[in-house]
Amino acid sequence: GEDVEQSLFLSVREGDSSVINCTYTDSSSTYLYWYKQEPGAGLQLLTYIFSNMDMKQDQRLTVLLNKKDKHLSLRIADTQTGDSAIYFCAEVGNTPLVFGKGTRLSVIA
Amino acid sequence: ETGVTQSPTHLIKTRGQQVTLRCSSQSGHNTVSWYQQALGQGPQFIFQYYREEENGRGNFPPRFSGLQFPNYSSELNVNALELDDSALYLCASSLPGQGSSYGYTFGSGTRLTVV
Repeated sequence: GEDVEQSLFLSVREGDSSVINCTYTDSSSTYLYWYKQEPGAGLQLLTYIFSNMDMKQDQRLTVLLNKKDKHLSLRIADTQTGDSAIYFCAEVGNTPLVFGKGTRLSVIA
Repeated sequence: ETGVTQSPTHLIKTRGQQVTLRCSSQSGHNTVSWYQQALGQGPQFIFQYYREEENGRGNFPPRFSGLQFPNYSSELNVNALELDDSALYLCASSLPGQGSSYGYTFGSGTRLTVV
């Protein structure tokens, strides 16, 4: 079956790096996504990684994929207060988009 | 290029009633998926529509049904509302297939409260 696990909370100081971790179970996943949700809003696609890649960098965002361990991480460099939100990882396999419960990132000024 | 729009933004219904939620997909996207996000949870897949046919369904009872129209817009209908149906309902449009670099584009959601 498909299941995505994330830690629920992360607190960092402004300017530090944030690392949000995620594990998934569907080995047939093709794409893995990171979405951001701000209070009262829908989901905003931040970045993605294709399953045959190990790393993807996009400005302040770095995604690492360990396919053997089914582990995905999102690193946000120079974290800002505007990065405070809930971050969801999601996999696409046999089911369109299976989400974790989300990691609430709090940035302390 | 327009994004995904959902209506209404908020809705309050009484237990046992029926509700219809609407979604217009992003230009160029012909696949629509619906998700239920309960408070403090991640979105749960309800079903997906492609070419006006249901193309996959999550673990939701038959009282959750949908439609897709020739212009790719979609409706989610829920009959016999229960208190646990209170949630944010999200619509996402996408290209067909198992994901893409474009991802799934989400609307802002409809907040349904059942009392």
